[in-house]
Amino acid sequence: SQQGEEDPQALSIQEGENATMNCSYKTSINNLQWYRQNSGRGLVHLILIRSNEREKHSGRLRVTLDTSKKSSSLLITASRAADTASYFCALNSGNTPLVFGKGTRLSVIA
Amino acid sequence: DAGVIQSPRHEVTEMGQEVTLRCKPISGHDYLFWYRQTMMRGLELLIYFNNNVPIDDSGMPEDRFSAKMPNASFSTLKIQPSEPRDSAVYFCASSLSGSNEKLFFGSGTQLSVL
Repeated sequence: SQQGEEDPQALSIQEGENATMNCSYKTSINNLQWYRQNSGRGLVHLILIRSNEREKHSGRLRVTLDTSKKSSSLLITASRAADTASYFCALNSGNTPLVFGKGTRLSVIA
Repeated sequence: DAGVIQSPRHEVTEMGQEVTLRCKPISGHDYLFWYRQTMMRGLELLIYFNNNVPIDDSGMPEDRFSAKMPNASFSTLKIQPSEPRDSAVYFCASSLSGSNEKLFFGSGTQLSVL
């Protein structure tokens, strides 16, 4: 089963700026999910986007999916210090369980 | 619902000892997953269950690892004997219908094997 690859590995921005993280993959997917993990905690689901969808929004989060380029992006607008966390993309292909990437570590500086 | 509950939160043990990690999934969820997270390897799937039946245990590192799900509300992951390289954070997650829907994660068990 394939693993998504997040880019960048680490990102540091000022509070109020937008943060963009990308996830690339190699083969077809059923859906792609984004999760957040605060230090020392479990992962929390953010957004699920299916292969026939191109964009989804949830509050300050915007996820896009380009199946022709096999890539997805997570945009966090007007970032806050509380957004500091690691962000993971996870791929669902066929009947296989979710496979997680290595994540992007986001630091939002107040 | 209280979410996925894992215990213990932290476990420190000596090499060679048996370790048992516990998980209570969200009521009504048919799927349960055990993941292991390390800095080097990221988040790895160890095993998952559907309706209490193990479906895929190909991620279990070796015979020292075993997992059971005796009923819909309880699962264990056992390591016997434990080794220092087993040190990691172990997560349990559950979902309604597998990977087609979102996973709910527990807070994890931080395992340190000395």
